[in-house]
Amino acid sequence: GAVVSQHPSWVICKSGTSVKIECRSLDFQATTMFWYRQFPKQSLMLMATSNEGSKATYEQGVEKDKFLINHASLTLSTLTVTSAHPEDSSFYICSAPPGPHNEQFFGPGTRLTVL
Amino acid sequence: DQQVKQNSPSLSVQEGRISILNCDYTNSMFDYFLWYKKYPAEGPTFLISISSIKDKNEDGRFTVFLNKSAKHLSLHIVPSQPGDSAVYFCAASSAGANNLFFGTGTRLTVIP
Repeated sequence: GAVVSQHPSWVICKSGTSVKIECRSLDFQATTMFWYRQFPKQSLMLMATSNEGSKATYEQGVEKDKFLINHASLTLSTLTVTSAHPEDSSFYICSAPPGPHNEQFFGPGTRLTVL
Repeated sequence: DQQVKQNSPSLSVQEGRISILNCDYTNSMFDYFLWYKKYPAEGPTFLISISSIKDKNEDGRFTVFLNKSAKHLSLHIVPSQPGDSAVYFCAASSAGANNLFFGTGTRLTVIP
């Protein structure tokens, strides 16, 4: 299957700072990527759809000014958590669709801890 | 509103026996269902999927069954192996939509 990478895999930051997470498709081009968030013992929840060359589409309840998404090229999407707070601590995962079985290919995830 | 539900948070099975993981959904517009396996601190990896026009799909040790009238699907793993121990998520999507709706996951432990 296709390979999606994320960087960093783990980040700890102070409250009020901004953190950028990168999602790259390594062996294919992705005009669309998805950003999910998973809180402990909960499901993966879609945050936004990242579209190459245009604005991201955010799910209801997700603050677009807080979670900035930039899809600058066909292989890179970035998620910036601005003015992070402890409640933003979570596991953030990106994915790119779709494969031959309608599946999405997920990155390894980034664990964000805000102190 | 959780449109995809996995009511069993955990399941323990003896090695060699069958593991059955269950999933229910509420949205009748879903037409594609998938199972993912996830290890801690890693992204989900795709296991198997099924289209709503089918009621069964098999791939090696993994078989997914779909009961549309009951809005229920299940994943059967047989024989179960210790390496199958992970969290399993079911997911669903609608025609024309790329995003997936995930269940809350079931932690499978296969006991050697």
